[in-house]
Amino acid sequence: DTAVSQTPKYLVTQMGNDKSIKCEQNLGHDTMYWYKQDSKKFLKIMFSYNNKELIINETVPNRFSPKSPDKAHLNLHINSLELGDSAVYFCASSLGTSETQYFGPGTRLLVL
Amino acid sequence: ELKVEQNPLFLSMQEGKNYTIYCNYSTTSDRLYWYRQDPGKSLESLFVLLSNGAVKQEGRLMASLDTKARLSTLHITAAVHDLSATYFCAPHPSGTYKYIFGTGTRLKVLA
Repeated sequence: DTAVSQTPKYLVTQMGNDKSIKCEQNLGHDTMYWYKQDSKKFLKIMFSYNNKELIINETVPNRFSPKSPDKAHLNLHINSLELGDSAVYFCASSLGTSETQYFGPGTRLLVL
Repeated sequence: ELKVEQNPLFLSMQEGKNYTIYCNYSTTSDRLYWYRQDPGKSLESLFVLLSNGAVKQEGRLMASLDTKARLSTLHITAAVHDLSATYFCAPHPSGTYKYIFGTGTRLKVLA
């Protein structure tokens, strides 16, 4: 009965490949987020959806594309992966756009 | 753009000691969150502070908010090893959808 789940947990891939990360929440929340945490532990918001509508679209390369098929799912697709994309990507959800966020376990992406 | 600074960035302390982590932010925010992250793990919510003067306590941790000074503190009382983790503050700027995370404070409690 995991609240926020992500797949895969680990992703090792070559430069130039395309990969996707999936996120699902069973909390009944209406808002979901993608964050990137770098090797220094800095946590930066990338995207957010509220009721399937994109409400936060930070300055990230357009190789990153989020997609929210419904309120319980938020996916992240990354094209043409680069070394600098290596990081931990966290999905989170909240009930409303300013409430406590619940984080998934993270996806550790390593680009070789 | 909201800036959030935490200090110290690193904190090594003895068990049984008290210490305070500071979170300064640059823009009016209607609420502020504190999160904990264990090494290699996800983030866990600790507190939400909703108004000026708000104080929340849970076990050995106590958080407070001064919106006029744009300052939040996380006070640790009689630290124990289990509190070793990275602590993040995250103000929620008024009129936005964003949460801006601070730099994090890595706390290590030595036995």
